[in-house]
Amino acid sequence: ETGVTQTPRHLVMGMTNKKSLKCEQHLGHNAMYWYKQSAKKPLELMFVYNFKEQTENNSVPSRFSPECPNSSHLFLHLHTLQPEDSALYLCASSQAKSGGPTDEQYFGPGTRLTVT
Amino acid sequence: GEDVEQSLFLSVREGDSSVINCTYTDSSSTYLYWYKQEPGAGLQLLTYIFSNMDMKQDQRLTVLLNKKDKHLSLRIADTQTGDSAIYFCAESGYGNNRLAFGKGNQVVVIP
Repeated sequence: ETGVTQTPRHLVMGMTNKKSLKCEQHLGHNAMYWYKQSAKKPLELMFVYNFKEQTENNSVPSRFSPECPNSSHLFLHLHTLQPEDSALYLCASSQAKSGGPTDEQYFGPGTRLTVT
Repeated sequence: GEDVEQSLFLSVREGDSSVINCTYTDSSSTYLYWYKQEPGAGLQLLTYIFSNMDMKQDQRLTVLLNKKDKHLSLRIADTQTGDSAIYFCAESGYGNNRLAFGKGNQVVVIP
């Protein structure tokens, strides 16, 4: 049990659908992340939130829209996706420290997204 | 920019040692990590090493860091079937919470 949960675990959606992925962490962390994991490619960082503020958007298309209402919850809203967006989407959290070394990131199990 | 390279596949017999390698390009890396991903699961941190160290041992795991060559390795002693997974190395810099991951190395343990 990593303390980071993600729902749903699997999602199939058409290109015109709108859906949302949810991540929740129970670790008292104040930084949350979305990653995309595609086959045979490095894990790609998408978004970083520190203390509920978005601090990084790694050139992600606007059809992916993150939302962080509080330090424990992170959403990824999906709209008019493309088949190449099919991947495993991983959420992570950590205790962000300013001016100190990076702290360990704890990952959720991921949502396997298939766009048809 | 950050670039982390890993080879893709390793097959090892149960009880043998396995070694996974990784190279990175960012000389300002402060921490280097090894993560494990089992099927259907997220990434789990196995161990990490600070850049001013050249070796760290944690039970069956030994991490070696050659900072001059920017080379990181993970040795798993007495490999078990439960060690079958994908292993990712990652690096980060001081004061930022951004990790750069390699493509991963799949380890298959043969009973």
